[in-house]
Amino acid sequence: DGGITQSPKYLFRKEGQNVTLSCEQNLNHDAMYWYRQDPGQGLRLIYYSQIVNDFQKGDIAEGYSVSREKKESFPLTVTSAQKNPTAFYLCASSLTPLTGEQYFGPGTRLTVT
Amino acid sequence: GDSVTQMEGPVTLSEEAFLTINCTYTATGYPSLFWYVQYPGEGLQLLLKATKADDKGSNKGFEATYRKETTSFHLEKGSVQVSDSAVYFCALSDRGNDMRFGAGTRLTVKP
Repeated sequence: DGGITQSPKYLFRKEGQNVTLSCEQNLNHDAMYWYRQDPGQGLRLIYYSQIVNDFQKGDIAEGYSVSREKKESFPLTVTSAQKNPTAFYLCASSLTPLTGEQYFGPGTRLTVT
Repeated sequence: GDSVTQMEGPVTLSEEAFLTINCTYTATGYPSLFWYVQYPGEGLQLLLKATKADDKGSNKGFEATYRKETTSFHLEKGSVQVSDSAVYFCALSDRGNDMRFGAGTRLTVKP
């Protein structure tokens, strides 16, 4: 089955710690994306990557970092510089950067206390 | 910049009622339009899409028509079921990487 996996589903961290969220896809998609979702709000773009070894900041990149060393993988690190990291994080991919249709993973709920 | 505005929820309906969730957009180009659905604790699933004016997207009894003259893409379903309870997001994409989402509309269908 092709799809996007995110792990873990729930993640708990203490304030001041960096944490890395995993995102893997086996759809052979070129483009990958990270979004943040807060209660009652739409999705906000954190970072996106069009090809391996390249990525761009989205609307709310401060306090986050990413890497794209493999086509299948696009991990997101939430650093201690992110002031309000508790949120639901969604990873998505699309066949090409110009393809509007995006496919989403199941999400990771991060709680920082 | 491009943006999407959805009707505010929550929306509560009885089973078999007619559903309309309004969505209007602002875009400088000719975007593709999408409806996504999110069930509790899950990611978003593509429900339907339309890529040009007057296109009608449809799936699982849901429909939406791309209306350029009114910049709208309203979601409709003739008879909702309890299993349709979810959050619905309208979205547009003008250049692929620039997908914009509405705030989402929570639908609850009661038996």
